[in-house]
Amino acid sequence: GEDVEQSLFLSVREGDSSVINCTYTDSSSTYLYWYKQEPGAGLQLLTYIFSNMDMKQDQRLTVLLNKKDKHLSLRIADTQTGDSAIYFCAETSGYSTLTFGKGTMLLVSP
Amino acid sequence: NAGVTQTPKFQVLKTGQSMTLQCAQDMNHNSMYWYRQDPGMGLRLIYYSASEGTTDKGEVPNGYNVSRLNKREFSLRLESAAPSQTSVYFCASSDAYGYTFGSGTRLTVV
Repeated sequence: GEDVEQSLFLSVREGDSSVINCTYTDSSSTYLYWYKQEPGAGLQLLTYIFSNMDMKQDQRLTVLLNKKDKHLSLRIADTQTGDSAIYFCAETSGYSTLTFGKGTMLLVSP
Repeated sequence: NAGVTQTPKFQVLKTGQSMTLQCAQDMNHNSMYWYRQDPGMGLRLIYYSASEGTTDKGEVPNGYNVSRLNKREFSLRLESAAPSQTSVYFCASSDAYGYTFGSGTRLTVV
């Protein structure tokens, strides 16, 4: 089946940039998403990118997509302690259900 | 606020007991989903319903049943709970723009 891989943990200092990486196997992926989950809460959609795009910027968030390598990244500029959470990468071809990675725990220290 | 509402938020069951997790959305979405989230495993799809009147198995359907009662409501039933079903359960609905998640039900089976 389709697979989405993420590194499990990232630790940064407040004010630094964070980069969370994701790889996927489905070559027909059309929509790629980043979700944020804070402790004890549900998943919140952060941003998404269509497969015909290379980059999307939304305030402090930058998503880069390398379709050839099936690699997706999320960059958070000026990371704050409130950004500490689990970040999930997810993909769908539009004709299938969403497939999630196992999540990357981001810890931001003061 | 528009969104996905799950009940209950917390539940403790004894092995062998049954229960139904309720989910309702008010966004007029056609598709609805049930996921479970376990530590280190990400989110795994249990069942989904692409439209009212249809349901399909996901990655981990064993031990569960679902009912798409109407367009708004999608329930998940555990007929005979087992400790392996201890998890956090998320309901979601989707349209062409993405998925919206409920806040989750934390279920413990003892």
